[in-house]
Amino acid sequence: GNSVTQMEGPVTLSEEAFLTINCTYTATGYLSLFWYVQYPGEGLQLLLKATKADDKGSNKGFEATYRKETTSFHLEKGSVQVSDSAVYFCALRGTSGTYKYIFGTGTRLKVLA
Amino acid sequence: NAGVTQTPKFQVLKTGQSMTLQCAQDMNHEYMSWYRQDPGMGLRLIHYSVGAGITDQGEVPNGYNVSRSTTEDFPLRLLSAAPSQTSVYFCASSTGTYNEQFFGPGTRLTVL
Repeated sequence: GNSVTQMEGPVTLSEEAFLTINCTYTATGYLSLFWYVQYPGEGLQLLLKATKADDKGSNKGFEATYRKETTSFHLEKGSVQVSDSAVYFCALRGTSGTYKYIFGTGTRLKVLA
Repeated sequence: NAGVTQTPKFQVLKTGQSMTLQCAQDMNHEYMSWYRQDPGMGLRLIHYSVGAGITDQGEVPNGYNVSRSTTEDFPLRLLSAAPSQTSVYFCASSTGTYNEQFFGPGTRLTVL
């Protein structure tokens, strides 16, 4: 079945450092890929998405490219801020005929001033 | 728009008790889902619905029931609570096949 693998956290960075959170997936067929962010005490909210191969999603300085050849959707940001501290989830939805998102286990990011 | 709302925010139950977690959305979304979030396990799908009157099981449905009598509401029922159901529960809704999900603020449930 479909699955999503994220790098384990926590990831601790200094402010203005470069961020990469790795995400790889196992799935076939037409996919949409997502990154969601969860701030403390809140529900998840969409950060960015890509709906076809080679698409780049971007939002708030974060970027991720849907790479079919490496089955990856890594999240990057050039300069993190303290306010980016949160848990980040990679997710996919496929065309298996059912409405089912598959989420990774989440990566906690802590940015220090 | 209130978006996706969930009640209660916190709940403590004793083993064997029953309760219903409420979820409502005002965006006229067809798709609604219930997830549980446990440390180190991400989000796991409990049940989902693709429209009023249509529900299906997710990854971890045992011990939970759902119904979808209206587009707006998607309650989750715990029939006989167990300590293993201690978790944070999120409801989400979406429109369209590949569109984003909108999440509620969550319900933190503790079963003693």
